[in-house]
Amino acid sequence: EPEVTQTPSHQVTQMGQEVILRCVPISNHLYFYWYRQILGQKVEFLVSFYNNEISEKSEIFDDQFSVERPDGSNFTLKIRSTKLEDSAMYFCASRTPWREGQWEQYFGPGTRLTVT
Amino acid sequence: KQEVTQIPAALSVPEGENLVLNCSFTDSAIYNLQWFRQDPGKGLTSLLLIQSSQREQTSGRLNASLDKSSGRSTLYIAASQPGDSATYLCAAFNQAGTALIFGKGTTLSVSS
Repeated sequence: EPEVTQTPSHQVTQMGQEVILRCVPISNHLYFYWYRQILGQKVEFLVSFYNNEISEKSEIFDDQFSVERPDGSNFTLKIRSTKLEDSAMYFCASRTPWREGQWEQYFGPGTRLTVT
Repeated sequence: KQEVTQIPAALSVPEGENLVLNCSFTDSAIYNLQWFRQDPGKGLTSLLLIQSSQREQTSGRLNASLDKSSGRSTLYIAASQPGDSATYLCAAFNQAGTALIFGKGTTLSVSS
C-alpha cells in the first residue's frame, strides 16, 4: 500500500542552524502539508502546498520557514535558523485532488527535530 | 476559528468493553472530520473520514458519527482489545477545507 515517507526520522541540530526535513508524498497525490506536534501538545497545521505554491499557512509558519517541491517526488520543509522552540515532531501529509470522498489526508511517520 | 476538543483526555477499560470517544468542534460549517490513531512516538494512522454530508462511517469494529448541528463527533470502538491502546485524535477541516484542526486526543488503555 502506498505511503508517505519522511527522512530523517530524527534530526539533532544546534540553535541557529538551518535544517531541511524531507518527505516523499504518495505518488498520485497533488496536495501536500506540513504539521508539527510539540511534545505533549496538539498537532498543529503549518502549511499547505498545491500546484507549486503555498495555498495556506498558519501563524506559526513565519519567514524562518519555507517549503519546496524540488522535483516530482520530494517535498521539503526548511527552517532557516532553528530555535529551541522549534523542537517538535514534524509530520508531512498528502492527499489526492478533491473528488467525492477523497479528502482523506495521509500522514508520514514524522521527523523528530531536537534543537539544542 | 475552528477549535476541536476531545473528552475524556484518558480512558482505561478492561478488554472486551465497548467504548465511546467524544469530539466537539466549534464551527458547525465543517467540510469533513477525520479520526486518527497515534501510537507513542509514532505517526498518525487515519482510521475514518466522515464527509460533511454523512452521518456515520464504519470500519471493522470502529464506527464514527457526525452531528454537525450539535458540533459533535463520536468514535465507537466495539469489543476493545489491548492492541487498541493508543491515542485517538479527532481532526476537523478548517473553513477553507484545506487544513486539519486537531484535538488533543484521548489516550486509551485496554487491559487484558
